[in-house]
Amino acid sequence: SYELTQPPSVSVSPGQTARITCSGDTLPKQYAYWYQQKPGQAPVLVMYKDSERPSGIPERFSGSSSGTTVTLTISGVQAEDEADYYCQSADSSSTCVVFGGGTKLTVL
Amino acid sequence: EVQLVESGGGLVQPGGSLRLSCAASGFTFSSYSMNWVRQSPGKGLEWVSYISSSSSTIYYADSVKGRFTISRDNAKNSLYLQMNSLRAEDTAVYFCARAYCSGGNCQWFFDLWGRGSLVTVSS
Repeated sequence: SYELTQPPSVSVSPGQTARITCSGDTLPKQYAYWYQQKPGQAPVLVMYKDSERPSGIPERFSGSSSGTTVTLTISGVQAEDEADYYCQSADSSSTCVVFGGGTKLTVL
Repeated sequence: EVQLVESGGGLVQPGGSLRLSCAASGFTFSSYSMNWVRQSPGKGLEWVSYISSSSSTIYYADSVKGRFTISRDNAKNSLYLQMNSLRAEDTAVYFCARAYCSGGNCQWFFDLWGRGSLVTVSS
């Protein structure tokens, strides 16, 4: 199996831009996906195929990819964005789904 | 309303068994691949198992292979996870999660999640 690495925490003030990274050796070949999870709730998909935003997700959420790192960017962060964020990828050759360790976004 | 609702969690002793269920509603369950994903207390997400729409293809994480069995009943719009030989490290909230599918092609990510069912393995 392989690993996806995320920073444990990111802190920003309201209105600023938050960038959450996810690194993994397979990311140049496989798409990454992002989920938002608030305490006591189920995860919610906020980005798929590196940079596609599902319907209903605010435009301030965007995604990008460069080499072995993908980035979830939240522009104009709002208090409601405070949550844990998980990246995820998959390796079809090994039928393996992997999640990153998660990043706690704190809105100061 | 499109939703997934898990049930069947609880307290079980090490070595014991438990069966989780996931009831789907609001969408054509038989058209979607489904998964179980778990989250240990205070920890991150861990994929557990996958089943295709027709049950023809099944995968497990190495951590549960040989102990857990995934199944589904499309007539009842239900997904199941039979968990045997449970260990303390299986303690977690278990989520059922729908794979994103479009035009009959399902992908390896999840666009709908249930609220989860807590399984506690302890003596």
